[in-house]
Order: sequence, then structure tokens, then C-alpha cells
Amino acid sequence: KQEVTQIPAALSVPEGENLVLNCSFTDSAIYNLQWFRQDPGKGLTSLLLIQSSQREQTSGRLNASLDKSSGRSTLYIAASQPGDSATYLCAVKGAQKLVFGQGTRLTINP
Amino acid sequence: KAGVTQTPRYLIKTRGQQVTLSCSPISGHRSVSWYQQTPGQGLQFLFEYFSETQRNKGNFPGRFSGRQFSNSRSEMNVSTLELGDSALYLCASSLYGQGATEAFFGQGTRLTVV
Repeated sequence: KQEVTQIPAALSVPEGENLVLNCSFTDSAIYNLQWFRQDPGKGLTSLLLIQSSQREQTSGRLNASLDKSSGRSTLYIAASQPGDSATYLCAVKGAQKLVFGQGTRLTINP
Repeated sequence: KAGVTQTPRYLIKTRGQQVTLSCSPISGHRSVSWYQQTPGQGLQFLFEYFSETQRNKGNFPGRFSGRQFSNSRSEMNVSTLELGDSALYLCASSLYGQGATEAFFGQGTRLTVV
């Protein structure tokens, strides 16, 4: 059974810092990995999708890496801004469904 | 193009009642999946529909059911509501569902059971 863990559960940093969010998964048989952002009470916004054959993806200030063999992914956020405050979720795609981590609640302090 | 649309956004129901939630996927997407999000359990997979057929099902009781129409719109029904059914229900739209396709989520329906 696939299990996804995100560390840390919460993170608070001052504006302008670069930061890394971590995601680990137990079964390397995945099709892809997605990073999502969720604002309070809202749905999920897809940030980055990494296919299983890829090592990383970039979008603006965001960079996500994938090491399938070790079951790890990281989301790097450069030059953080208060608007980046949200919960970040990673999800791995197996044969049938997405399996989510519990998320990292990120607060960027002005 | 329009994103994933879920209606209604908020619902308050009484224990024992039933409820129907609706999801309209992105145009051209044929797969709709439903997820339940609670503070304690996080996001859990309910079921997936593809071309009007339930293709996969999560570990939820039979009170949770769904269907998909020929235009790919999907409905989810919960009968005999319990307090523990209070949650944010999210639907995800993708081209094919299985394999390496990307999932796009709606804004969710917040269900409160009192």
C-alpha cells in the first residue's frame, strides 16, 4: 500500500527566503507525482507535474525534483512571498488513483 | 477553457438525510474522480468514473455512490448522512484517469452534517 509523507508539517519563514518542502513515498511504481497548493477552504491548484521518467520540472519560482528510486521529491520555492502562504500537498499517481501526503502548511511572514 | 466546476459550494444537511453533489469536468476530459478531505484523514479516494462506468473504488461504505453521464458530468450521492461525513468533497478531472495523465481539481463542496 502506497504511503506518502510530507515533512515538515508546518513551516514559517520570513519573506524573501528560499525554502524546500519534502515528500517521500514508499512504492516507487508510480506514473507521476504532482505538487498542489491549497488555500484555506478551497480546492487544489496544480503547481507542477513530474512524470516518472523525469527528474525535475520548473515553473517560475518553483522547482520540483523527483528521485523515484529513493522515493523522494522536493519542492523548492525561491524568493518566497507572503502570497505563497498556503498548504502544499504532494500526490503520487499509481495505477488507479492519487495518493496524497498530509501536506505542509507554509506561512511566509512579511 | 473552463476549469472543473463543482456545485453547490456549501451544503448543510441533517443526519439521516441524503445529498447529491455535482462535478462538471474540463471539456474533453473523460475521467472524474472524487476525493474526501477531512482534517484527521486528509485526502482519501472515493471512486473514479470513466465513460459512464465506475472504474475504481476506494474503501468507503456503500452509502457513498456516484454516476457519470454521457457528457462526462458526474454526481456523487451520500445516503443516510452521518456526522462523520462532514468534509470537503473534491472532484478531479483528467483526460483518461489511468496512467500518467494530470489531474485538475475543482473548488470543492463543503458538506456539513448536523
